[in-house]
Amino acid sequence: GNSVTQMEGPVTLSEEAFLTINCTYTATGYPSLFWYVQYPGEGLQLLLKATKADDKGSNKGFEATYRKETTSFHLEKGSVQVSDSAVYFCALSLSGSARQLTFGSGTQLTVLP
Amino acid sequence: GAGVSQSPSNKVTEKGKDVELRCDPISGHTALYWYRQSLGQGLEFLIYFQGNSAPDKSGLPSDRFSAERTGGSVSTLTIQRTQQEDSAVYLCASSLVTGSTEAFFGQGTRLTVV
Repeated sequence: GNSVTQMEGPVTLSEEAFLTINCTYTATGYPSLFWYVQYPGEGLQLLLKATKADDKGSNKGFEATYRKETTSFHLEKGSVQVSDSAVYFCALSLSGSARQLTFGSGTQLTVLP
Repeated sequence: GAGVSQSPSNKVTEKGKDVELRCDPISGHTALYWYRQSLGQGLEFLIYFQGNSAPDKSGLPSDRFSAERTGGSVSTLTIQRTQQEDSAVYLCASSLVTGSTEAFFGQGTRLTVV
C-alpha cells in the first residue's frame, strides 16, 4: 500500500535557524508529493507540491525536491521565522489530485524568538 | 465565507449516540472530501464527492459512517451509535475541480465520545 513517513516531532528551533523535516514515501506507482501546513487555529493549507521526479516545489522560502531514487521529499527552509511555527504534513497522491491524499502523521515546528 | 467552514468545532457525545458533522465548502468547488485525524496519526481518507457522480466511500471505516452532499454544496457526515474509537478530528476539504491538487481544508470538528 501507499504510506508516508515523517520525522517525529516536535521540532524546536531558534529564529533564523535552518530547517529540515524529513519525509519518505512508499507508493505503488508514481505519486505527486505535497507539503501541507496547519497554522494554529487554522485549517490545513497546501504549502508546495511536486508532480514528478527531480521537480522542486517552493513557496514562502520553503523548498522540497522530489527524489525518486531515495523516495524522499524533505522540506527545507534556510532561515525560519516565528511565524513558521505550525504543524507540517507530508502527503502523496497517486491520482495527482487531492482525491485520496495519503498523509504523514505531521511534524510540530516551534520557532523561538 | 471565504474558506471551508465546519460545524460544530467541538462535539462531546455519549457512546451509542448518533452525531452529525457539517461542512460548507468554498462556493463553486465541485469536489468535497472528508478525512479523519486520530490522535498521533496522519489523516485518514473517508469519503469523496465530485459533482453529481456517485461518491467514493472506500475510506469509510464501518457502516455506522455515512455522508451526503445536498445540492452539490453542503455535506453532512453522520456517525451512528458512536464508539470511543470514533474520537478524532474530522476534517472536510474542497477543491475547485477533480483534477486539482490544491485542496482547501476546514478547521475540523473535534469529536470526543465518552
